[in-house]
Amino acid sequence: GESVGLHLPTLSVQEGDNSIINCAYSNSASDYFIWYKQESGKGPQFIIDIRSNMDKRQGQRVTVLLNKTVKHLSLQIAATQPGDSAVYFCADNPDYNNDMRFGAGTRLTVKP
Amino acid sequence: DTAVSQTPKYLVTQMGNDKSIKCEQNLGHDTMYWYKQDSKKFLKIMFSYNNKELIINETVPNRFSPKSPDKAHLNLHINSLELGDSAVYFCASSPWQTTHNSPLHFGNGTRLTVT
Repeated sequence: GESVGLHLPTLSVQEGDNSIINCAYSNSASDYFIWYKQESGKGPQFIIDIRSNMDKRQGQRVTVLLNKTVKHLSLQIAATQPGDSAVYFCADNPDYNNDMRFGAGTRLTVKP
Repeated sequence: DTAVSQTPKYLVTQMGNDKSIKCEQNLGHDTMYWYKQDSKKFLKIMFSYNNKELIINETVPNRFSPKSPDKAHLNLHINSLELGDSAVYFCASSPWQTTHNSPLHFGNGTRLTVT
């Protein structure tokens, strides 16, 4: 079955605000997690990843936080822009292969 | 210089027909995948191939047959199409398969509509 899931199916934020997208995973053996962004008509695009030996990883305007105790993952987007509007997926690898298992997705809408 | 390219982008066909979707990656990756995305945006893995060898075959009807002529190509052939096959199919690739975790690189999808 599905390994990861998302708390909120939709999120609407004002341009310039920070966004937080949450994800819960069920398999404590998962050791690699990725956030993807999917724009309309395109395939999922890699944003940032994190391994289970880390709690936090930062990229350009994005931060991923991993809480292994409660099996929770979050993506924070700073100063959200209209171009950030998309569906965001978290994914993990519960079987030690590289077949990533995806959550249901959160649609982020940025209001100007 | 698209990294993962799949054709066609749109495919409309009738029930019972047989169709193929092609995928090619120019990233030099060893592993390729097919994912199916339903109308609710849920992405589910169907197959993965590593160096032309089938690694993962999820519970997909045997009407779906992947074929990998070389490690840069993974095509998906579907026999006797059914209404429920309507979805967006994504091809993806990655540089490693086991133990070496790395992100997947996706194509832009093929929207299959079965009427």
